[in-house]
Amino acid sequence: NAGVTQTPKFQVLKTGQSMTLQCAQDMNHEYMSWYRQDPGMGLRLIHYSVGAGITDQGEVPNGYNVSRSTTEDFPLRLLSAAPSQTSVYFCASRKTRETYEQYFGPGTRLTVT
Amino acid sequence: DAKTTQPPSMDCAEGRAANLPCNHSTISGNEYVYWYRQIHSQGPQYIIHGLKNNETNEMASLIITEDRKSSTLILPHATLRDTAVYYCIVRVKRRDSSYKLIFGSGTRLLVRP
Repeated sequence: NAGVTQTPKFQVLKTGQSMTLQCAQDMNHEYMSWYRQDPGMGLRLIHYSVGAGITDQGEVPNGYNVSRSTTEDFPLRLLSAAPSQTSVYFCASRKTRETYEQYFGPGTRLTVT
Repeated sequence: DAKTTQPPSMDCAEGRAANLPCNHSTISGNEYVYWYRQIHSQGPQYIIHGLKNNETNEMASLIITEDRKSSTLILPHATLRDTAVYYCIVRVKRRDSSYKLIFGSGTRLLVRP
């Protein structure tokens, strides 16, 4: 299994541009989520999904959209990038909403100028 | 939501036990304590979790006080590869029965040769 994969690894955007961060898992996990991590801080939850077709907001959802059309993929969209969205983004998955062990991807480092 | 408090940094000698403390004085009776670690800039890695009883696995031991207001993660024989940021996390149940992990700032553990 490849586990949780994320692309791209690095991205630089100009203010106002849009882009999609890709996340995929091959473990048939129902639950997937997106976090952002700012320097010196822990992770904050952006959006999550408990299964295909179901998404919900986390702590810091503003400026981000998600969709979950398949079990495997959970893309994160920035509609109009802002410098405040400069961060490292981690995608994570776990088998079900109750499962205790969560697997994280390697992260995408995004800079918005 | 329950919050955790950890020292910002600690160090220990290679081969010795590393004891990482965590306070979670506002934890509710059904909320689990989780520990994850993040090596350099990688995605966080699950270590261990517990509710009331002490727990041990191949990576670490978790000691939870009887009043559940604090816990200690023990790495019995720390190696240089254990140098990382360690997060003590409380798992909180949402209304849709899924769970969210509330990350704090973590403890940066440096294992010295």
